[in-house]
Amino acid sequence: EDKVVQSPLSLVVHEGDTVTLNCSYEVTNFRSLLWYKQEKKAPTFLFMLTSSGIEKKSGRLSSILDKKELFSILNITATQTGDSAVYLCAVHKLYNFNKFYFGSGTKLNVKP
Amino acid sequence: GAGVSQSPRYKVAKRGQDVALRCDPISGHVSLFWYQQALGQGPEFLTYFQNEAQLDKSGLPSDRFFAERPEGSVSTLKIQRTQQEDSAVYLCASSNDRVNTEAFFGQGTRLTVV
Repeated sequence: EDKVVQSPLSLVVHEGDTVTLNCSYEVTNFRSLLWYKQEKKAPTFLFMLTSSGIEKKSGRLSSILDKKELFSILNITATQTGDSAVYLCAVHKLYNFNKFYFGSGTKLNVKP
Repeated sequence: GAGVSQSPRYKVAKRGQDVALRCDPISGHVSLFWYQQALGQGPEFLTYFQNEAQLDKSGLPSDRFFAERPEGSVSTLKIQRTQQEDSAVYLCASSNDRVNTEAFFGQGTRLTVV
């Protein structure tokens, strides 16, 4: 059975801290792994990872994929209160089975 | 349009009432997905369209749920005889037909069944 597991489920940090969010998966016909940020209702796209070991960076956010161990991490350095959100990990299956499987998310609360 | 548009944003239905939720995907996007997101949970897959063809409806929780996309653009998710357990946010997403692509989400419709 395909599944995506995120940890921790929730996290409370103070501004300036660095956080690491985890996503492990067991999905057949893997195509890519995606990270989304969900503040209100619409998840907004952060990163897409297709190859192992290649770090994607955007400002204070970075992410990497390990296709051998079937996991990804999302790092946020120097956290700000605006980073408070639910971070969702999704795995995209191959085109013929076009689905994005989501984890339950990690709820991040950054306190001033 | 510029993004995925969903309507209504909020819907309160009495138990037993039928509801229809609309999704207007990004223009030209071949793939359209419906997801159900319960409070504190990640989005759960409901159904997938490629143009007007519903290729996967394995996530629809019961035969009270029905989705269509007759002209390969706008999609409607219909829930008949709503139950309290149907209360959730219903998210629509669309994507293009590139092999590696992300899904673009709408703002969702929050359905509350009372």
